[in-house]
Amino acid sequence: KNEVEQSPQNLTAQEGEFITINCSYSVGISALHWLQQHPGGGIVSLFMLSSGKKKHGRLIATINIQEKHSSLHITASHPRDSAVYICAVRRYGGSQGNLIFGKGTKLSVKP
Amino acid sequence: DGGITQSPKYLFRKEGQNVTLSCEQNLNHDAMYWYRQDPGQGLRLIYYSQIVNDFQKGDIAEGYSVSREKKESFPLTVTSAQKNPTAFYLCASSSTLSSYEQYFGPGTRLTVT
Repeated sequence: KNEVEQSPQNLTAQEGEFITINCSYSVGISALHWLQQHPGGGIVSLFMLSSGKKKHGRLIATINIQEKHSSLHITASHPRDSAVYICAVRRYGGSQGNLIFGKGTKLSVKP
Repeated sequence: DGGITQSPKYLFRKEGQNVTLSCEQNLNHDAMYWYRQDPGQGLRLIYYSQIVNDFQKGDIAEGYSVSREKKESFPLTVTSAQKNPTAFYLCASSSTLSSYEQYFGPGTRLTVT
């Protein structure tokens, strides 16, 4: 079983829809990252969370440490949000060598 | 502008040849990383470097080699010993090894035939 699981693997939405991507993990962590990978391949860091909730524009990320679960929400989705969204966790007490990545969720937003 | 550059974006090689992927950063970061991405899989760590002249194996180092002679440069060599070299390779850096924020380069897609 992978230590970081994302769901769904693929997601298609209509423009304007509210989107939720989920991430569950099975190890103790000190931080969780949400990353965005565009079709060209480059990766951008969206959020780093260790507790609670963060918001940036139309993006909201939450984490529940007790349940080992995080969600990424996109409000009023737009075709330019189409990308692969990757959850990554930093194992508690580990070095950067212990960053564990999920397989990603491919989001496609149709106009 | 500060950032990470990887070149080239696409690289083609014949089986049995060594190939070196370039990664340069001007963020003045101490730590640098190489990841490999395959379809349907999460990023996997190949090598990382905490500081100049130091580097450590990641989860899938076999068939790869690196050097860190300069702070801004961390080239990755894919050797002929790597059994499945065709993949997307991403370089990243962070201020220090313990920094939570990693910055990624645009990636190099290597195809070996």
